[in-house]
Amino acid sequence: DAKTTQPTSMDCAEGRAANLPCNHSTISGNEYVYWYRQIHSQGPQYIIHGLKNNETNEMASLIITEDRKSSTLILPHATLRDTAVYYCIVRVGDSNYQLIWGAGTKLIIKP
Amino acid sequence: ETGVTQTPRHLVMGMTNKKSLKCEQHLGHNAMYWYKQSAKKPLELMFVYSLEERVENNSVPSRFSPECPNSSHLFLHLHTLQPEDSALYLCASSFHRAGEQYFGPGTRLTVT
Repeated sequence: DAKTTQPTSMDCAEGRAANLPCNHSTISGNEYVYWYRQIHSQGPQYIIHGLKNNETNEMASLIITEDRKSSTLILPHATLRDTAVYYCIVRVGDSNYQLIWGAGTKLIIKP
Repeated sequence: ETGVTQTPRHLVMGMTNKKSLKCEQHLGHNAMYWYKQSAKKPLELMFVYSLEERVENNSVPSRFSPECPNSSHLFLHLHTLQPEDSALYLCASSFHRAGEQYFGPGTRLTVT
């Protein structure tokens, strides 16, 4: 599975859109981009995933560049409860059971 | 109960104790996982069970012993642990090898 690079930390004002970048320049054609988050002292929470097209659900939007070398997770109206570590993970579909976790981005939402 | 539950939420044990962590999923999934999360380290996959058979065992010391009696329940039996085993132990479940894994709240383990 391809490796990902994320900023260590980011701040965002409450009510604004939080845009979290992820670089995955070595991604293969059959690898999906997954996003999870982990609120302090809780288990990780699945957010969204995509292959090529942009995706949206009730939690967030995922924008994948045309060359697929990077992506952005968008939380449209961030709240204080969105403060968490956000993980970007790349993996080949349903090929195995592994999710390779990095250090993620610590997102702090400020009042 | 919904989702993935874990008990106990906190556990303090001595190095000579034997204890068990329990996980239960109410999502109808057929794969279950144990992860370890140590301070300042990424999540590490320990074990995976699919349809009650162990399919992955990532070089975990034998003092950790998993058990999966059915597709809804997963246990992690602990014995003669070391202080460096202190960590957050997370259980997760999924449909087969799906990348969407659903996690429990974790058990915070302290080994004294």
